[in-house]
Amino acid sequence: AQSVSQHNHHVILSEAASLELGCNYSYGGTVNLFWYVQYPGQHLQLLLKYFSGDPLVKGIKGFEAEFIKSKFSFNLRKPSVQWSDTAEYFCAVVGGSQGNLIFGKGTKLSVKP
Amino acid sequence: GAGVSQTPSNKVTEKGKYVELRCDPISGHTALYWYRQSLGQGPEFLIYFQGTGAADDSGLPNDRFFAVRPEGSVSTLKIQRTERGDSAVYLCASSPFTGIVNTGELFFGEGSRLTVL
Repeated sequence: AQSVSQHNHHVILSEAASLELGCNYSYGGTVNLFWYVQYPGQHLQLLLKYFSGDPLVKGIKGFEAEFIKSKFSFNLRKPSVQWSDTAEYFCAVVGGSQGNLIFGKGTKLSVKP
Repeated sequence: GAGVSQTPSNKVTEKGKYVELRCDPISGHTALYWYRQSLGQGPEFLIYFQGTGAADDSGLPNDRFFAVRPEGSVSTLKIQRTERGDSAVYLCASSPFTGIVNTGELFFGEGSRLTVL
């Protein structure tokens, strides 16, 4: 069965600090990987996704993620966070031709102004 | 509407009662998903529809939970004999995924918060 692990439950940073949120998945075959974000009071929305090709993918708002197949990882990064990045971030995976996404438990990011 | 609509936004019920939660997906989206999110957890998959049929219901926790999508659009999640452990936010999402290549972009609604007393 597929699963997703997010290592950090809550991350607190000051503005302009660099961000890296860890995500590891377990699935032996071809995977598609995603990061979703939930801003306070809003619904979940897609931040970025990986299907194939360049393992470094760029998303909205300056976020990027790197797929490292040998490590089963898909970590999210941002060089300089802003207060408006305060949100909860969820990593998700869909394996092969399956239809449903499996989500991690999420990482809450708090950015201090 | 422009997005996924879920009603009610909040539902408080007593243990043992029956509850229905409704989801109106984005027009034209063939795939519809139900997830459940408890406090401090990520969305937990319940069931996924392609058109009118349940393509995968492996996430439904037990036979008290049932979902339908009779016309391939609106879906209703039904919970019988509710228990306190059913308290959570129930999320609905839709997607243009047709069962071939999953782009993974799910469009989520605001959720229905269920509280079982």
